[in-house]
Amino acid sequence: AQKVTQTQTSISVVEKTTVTMDCVYETRDSSYFLFWYKQTASGEIVFLIRQDSYKKENATVGHYSLNFQKPKSSIGLIITATQIEDSAVYFCAMREGRGNTNKVVFGTGTRLQVLP
Amino acid sequence: ETAVFQTPNYHVTQVGNEVSFNCKQTLGHDTMYWYKQDSKKLLKIMFSYNNKQLIVNETVPRRFSPQSSDKAHLNLRIKSVEPEDSAVYLCASSGDWGATGQLYFGEGSKLTVL
Repeated sequence: AQKVTQTQTSISVVEKTTVTMDCVYETRDSSYFLFWYKQTASGEIVFLIRQDSYKKENATVGHYSLNFQKPKSSIGLIITATQIEDSAVYFCAMREGRGNTNKVVFGTGTRLQVLP
Repeated sequence: ETAVFQTPNYHVTQVGNEVSFNCKQTLGHDTMYWYKQDSKKLLKIMFSYNNKQLIVNETVPRRFSPQSSDKAHLNLRIKSVEPEDSAVYLCASSGDWGATGQLYFGEGSKLTVL
């Protein structure tokens, strides 16, 4: 069964610095999709960035980028030039590509606090 | 901009009562989901529908029943609520038949069972 693990419960950084959040996953499938989502204090969950397993290039969107290390089953999220409004809970998630189970599994989340 | 709408956003009820949550998406997606988020922020999938057909049905108590009238609507009924049902219920949708799994979430429906 697929599994997503985020070991960092909470991280604090000073604004304008770079932060990396870790995520490792388990899957038996050769094709899968990895995501990072952000949940703000209001409870809203928004999609940030996605990595397709067959792509070697790390995905980048704005000041979010991924560190995809397939041999290590690792997909880290890097936020550069952090801002106060980046303070939120960040979830790593995975969808196996096989079949039409439409099942997306989430990690336990990492709470990021960006301090002035 | 929100495109997945959930009602109600909050509901307080007593053990044994019935409650229903409604979800509508205006994104033209064909796949919809219900997730449960507990007090520790753990997100667990409950159900997934493709164009009105149930695709994913996790190990969920039988008092939970999803209903889909069309691909834009997915409701969740809880027949006789228990204290452990207190949580936030999140509706989500995805396009391309959920092939990639990229989800768009509603604002959530917070249930408190007294």
